[in-house]
Formats: sequence, C-alpha cells, structure tokens
Amino acid sequence: QVQLVQSGAEVKQPGASVRISCKASGYIFTTYTIHWVRQAPGQRLEWMGWINAGNGDTRYSQKFQGRVTITRDTSASTAYMELNSLRSEDTAVYYCARSQTGRELDYWGQGTLVTVSS
Amino acid sequence: EIVLTQSPGTLSLSPGERATLSCRASQSVSNNYLAWYQQKPGQAPRLLIYGASTRATGIPDRFSGSGSGTDFTLTISRLEPEDFAVYYCHQYDISPRTFGQGTKVEIK
Repeated sequence: QVQLVQSGAEVKQPGASVRISCKASGYIFTTYTIHWVRQAPGQRLEWMGWINAGNGDTRYSQKFQGRVTITRDTSASTAYMELNSLRSEDTAVYYCARSQTGRELDYWGQGTLVTVSS
Repeated sequence: EIVLTQSPGTLSLSPGERATLSCRASQSVSNNYLAWYQQKPGQAPRLLIYGASTRATGIPDRFSGSGSGTDFTLTISRLEPEDFAVYYCHQYDISPRTFGQGTKVEIK
C-alpha cells in the first residue's frame, strides 16, 4: 500500500533552518510528484511547492521563493523540504503529499510539527 | 491566485441528516480541477472527491461532489458518526494551488 512517512517533530530557534524528510513506499517513486503543504494553528492548508520525483523539476509558491528548497533522493525514495530563516509564523504542521503531474493530492504523509521558538 | 471561500464555517447536524458544503472560487476553475478533503484532529487530510465529482478509492457513496466554474458543492447524504470532521476544498488548476478555509461539521 502507498505510504509516505515523514521525519519527526522539530524545535528550532528563529533564524535557523529545518529539513524534513518524506519516505515513500508502495509505488514507483519516480512516477509521481511530491508536494509540501503546511498548516499553521487554526489556519487553512497552504501549498508550498512540489518536486517531480522523476526529473527533479521543482516549483515553489512565490510566498516561499528563496526560502524553501525541495529535493529528492531517488535511491532512497525520499523527498526533502528545507525551510530557511525560520520565524515564529513558520510554526506549523508540515505535510508531504503525492500527486500525478498536475493532479489532485491523493496520499499524504502523517505530518511533521515544526515549532519555532526562542 | 485563486481564493477559495467555503461556507458555512460550521455546520451543526445530527447523525442521519444531510450535509451540504459550499466552495466558491474567485475565478473559474478549469477542467473541474477541484478536490475535497476530510480532516480529523491530529490526522492528515484524506482525499474524498477529485475532478469536482469523482469519488476517490474507498470513499462511500454517501459522499458526492458537484459544480463547475466557480461554484462547487460537497454533499454527505446521511451523516455517519465518523463523518464529523473538517472539510476543505482545494483547486489544483492554477499555481499556486490553494485551499479553502474549511467547514467544520459538528454534532448537534
């Protein structure tokens, strides 16, 4: 069965960086796109960007451009999301999710809580 | 970007009742690239409907989606106890992808 398993919770200081992993199983990793979506407390879901796991192409939301980097390791069937220059407003649960190119997000990871606090 | 506005914010209903949730887009969503998700506390969103009206694998037929252009609806024909949750619409037509603010379906 399809599974996306994310790394554990993180606590970071303002100005630091965080890197979250998303390990895929149950399907051919390189035939899908991995997206990152976050949900701050009491807020709506917010799309951050995607990576084509096959060719490595990426696209980011303009809101996060310059601060987010999404990469993948095909040998490990794992995608990564790094967010820099963290501030308190980045405190949120971060999800990875899978889609076929340009399609709906059909499977989601369990979420990773990132807390930014001094 | 396409702004999605969901209504109502909260729906208070009893098991067995019908739930009708609305999602309005600030501009037309082409190809009906509109999905609905269910989210329960502490869990990831779960895909219910894609392409505005196609049920995802394993989703019971009491869930149905309709609409096109800028107005979309999710209907739950008869609420089961496990259906009380928050529901989000999501457009994947135009980047950036966006989500509605959610409708909470609570037990009356």
